[in-house]
Amino acid sequence: EAQVTQNPRYLITVTGKKLTVTCSQNMNHEYMSWYRQDPGLGLRQIYYSMNVEVTDKGDVPEGYKVSRKEKRNFPLILESPSPNQTSLYFCASSLSPPRPGNTIYFGEGSWLTVV
Amino acid sequence: RKEVEQDPGPFNVPEGATVAFNCTYSNSASQSFFWYRQDCRKEPKLLMSVYSSGNEDGRFTAQLNRASQYISLLIRDSKLSDSATYLCVVTPNTGGFKTIFGAGTRLFVKA
Repeated sequence: EAQVTQNPRYLITVTGKKLTVTCSQNMNHEYMSWYRQDPGLGLRQIYYSMNVEVTDKGDVPEGYKVSRKEKRNFPLILESPSPNQTSLYFCASSLSPPRPGNTIYFGEGSWLTVV
Repeated sequence: RKEVEQDPGPFNVPEGATVAFNCTYSNSASQSFFWYRQDCRKEPKLLMSVYSSGNEDGRFTAQLNRASQYISLLIRDSKLSDSATYLCVVTPNTGGFKTIFGAGTRLFVKA
């Protein structure tokens, strides 16, 4: 079954404590992304990756890091989380950059609270 | 100005109604357009891609107007199960491969 799996699904953490949200896809997709979703703002892209070792900033990269050492995995790293990073995070993948006929598959989301 | 703008709604319609949403985008060089559906903070799922000539999938019709820089989604014969948030998605041709989501339009279909 085609899947994007992200973990943890729910996390409450404290300011400044480094955390990593993992993301893995089993579809051999080249393009992967991280988004955050906040009320009234929709999904905003944090980082995306075109392929292994190729990453680029989205619209809201500040405070986040990513890596793409393997095609299937695209972890999101918060080196020093702050309360304004409290959000719902989605990982997504697609065969290539989105184009008609090319579906973006999303993980189920990770609810992150920073206190 | 936001790159992709949608009327947040909510749109409250009775079952069987026809409802239309618009979405405007600011980058005239944008290449690809989509409508996604999201239920209650769950993961978004593709509803349909939007092709230049317009396209239809059952009760759903999507259109693209490049001159005015908007896309539209028409839902005919609304069902209770159509209640969701509809997200407009655009890939702007900015030299990178970003994907831009609108904030979504909320639809409630009532019996």
